[in-house]
Amino acid sequence: EPEVTQTPSHQVTQMGQEVILRCVPISNHLYFYWYRQILGQKVEFLVSFYNNEISEKSEIFDDQFSVERPDGSNFTLKIRSTKLEDSAMYFCASRTGNGYTFGSGTRLTVV
Amino acid sequence: QQPVQSPQAVILREGEDAVINCSSSKALYSVHWYRQKHGEAPVFLMILLKGGEQKGHEKISASFNEKKQQSSLYLTASQLSYSGTYFCGTVYQNNDMRFGAGTRLTVKP
Repeated sequence: EPEVTQTPSHQVTQMGQEVILRCVPISNHLYFYWYRQILGQKVEFLVSFYNNEISEKSEIFDDQFSVERPDGSNFTLKIRSTKLEDSAMYFCASRTGNGYTFGSGTRLTVV
Repeated sequence: QQPVQSPQAVILREGEDAVINCSSSKALYSVHWYRQKHGEAPVFLMILLKGGEQKGHEKISASFNEKKQQSSLYLTASQLSYSGTYFCGTVYQNNDMRFGAGTRLTVKP
């Protein structure tokens, strides 16, 4: 069964550093998403991406965040200057039609 | 846009039943249900589309009341493996999904 692949599975970074989280969506999917989940809390929507541009973003997705689909297969989330409160599990998802498929997540720890 | 889930937590004995509710103040296009075990990604359970359909697989089923913009997840004769946090994801016309706060289900022997 096709999967959404996320790398790395765990990233530790120092406060103020830039991080890039990578995702390879399912190849025939057209819609891409990033969600995050702070430990013990709910899954929060960050951004949706379609046709090479952002469709919608939440209030969490401020100027420190950006997304890119650089080569037609990868879908990346960049955090420019990480803060302690960015520590969370980040999930990528892709969709065609009604069905969302989630990746297994990247645990980001900012120290 | 975020749906409201209830209850926040449920503790059951093996074999007991549970109902988890999800409601929205906006018109829903579809409702998705996920189960998440600690430290893992959410696992898709089922999707319900507009039309008030009910779906199920073995002892887990769900309904979608389009008029009330509500969905309920029914777990019958619960097993230890049902333990986890259940999230509903609601999809609106723009097709972006928002998750409820989750219901933590604990099944004890």
